[in-house]
Amino acid sequence: DTGVSQNPRHKITKRGQNVTFRCDPISEHNRLYWYRQTLGQGPEFLTYFQNEAQLEKSRLLSDRFSAERPKGSFSTLEIQRTEQGDSAMYLCASSPTGVVDIQYFGAGTRLSVL
Amino acid sequence: QKEVEQNSGPLSVPEGAIASLNCTYSDRGSQSFFWYRQYSGKSPELIMFIYSNGDKEDGRFTAQLNKASQYVSLLIRDSQPSDSATYLCAVTPGRSMRFGAGTRLTVKP
Repeated sequence: DTGVSQNPRHKITKRGQNVTFRCDPISEHNRLYWYRQTLGQGPEFLTYFQNEAQLEKSRLLSDRFSAERPKGSFSTLEIQRTEQGDSAMYLCASSPTGVVDIQYFGAGTRLSVL
Repeated sequence: QKEVEQNSGPLSVPEGAIASLNCTYSDRGSQSFFWYRQYSGKSPELIMFIYSNGDKEDGRFTAQLNKASQYVSLLIRDSQPSDSATYLCAVTPGRSMRFGAGTRLTVKP
């Protein structure tokens, strides 16, 4: 069990560029979540997968954001036409099947849009 | 009204004292409640969770839940300087987790 892995750890991009982040959950965790966190705020829910199915997506998520989990293992989060307001820490979490949904977080990808 | 509200602090306590962190939530359908600790620049780390009314103890930490009052708290006994961090309260009204903005705790030696 190596924990939730996220890559890259840091990403600097210019406004208007597309970026993609990867998350590898803890093995055998069938649930995967993406969050965004800005300074001084708690993580904000973006989207949730159970296996390969995207079951919930935040209403706050614009059409520029898309996430996939094609084989029910790793997931990618893509942001198209990045804006300065997208600068944040993007966190991935995974959880096993269970009555209580205990989520374990990766180290995050810090995005800076110039 | 925010879904999860916490006093942002900062909360400062002397070493060895009890730190009390509070959280209220708006969705009465919330079923599970979590406390995460987050050091500056790091990701959230689970401290403990609770889903039944009453108290739950784990070492120096005690979580308290009162669903009727929509209130959850975390007590840290014998606070240590290493406990200095931001404490995030999180609830699960559905499958997704909703976080408060966090309370920043400083434990002074």
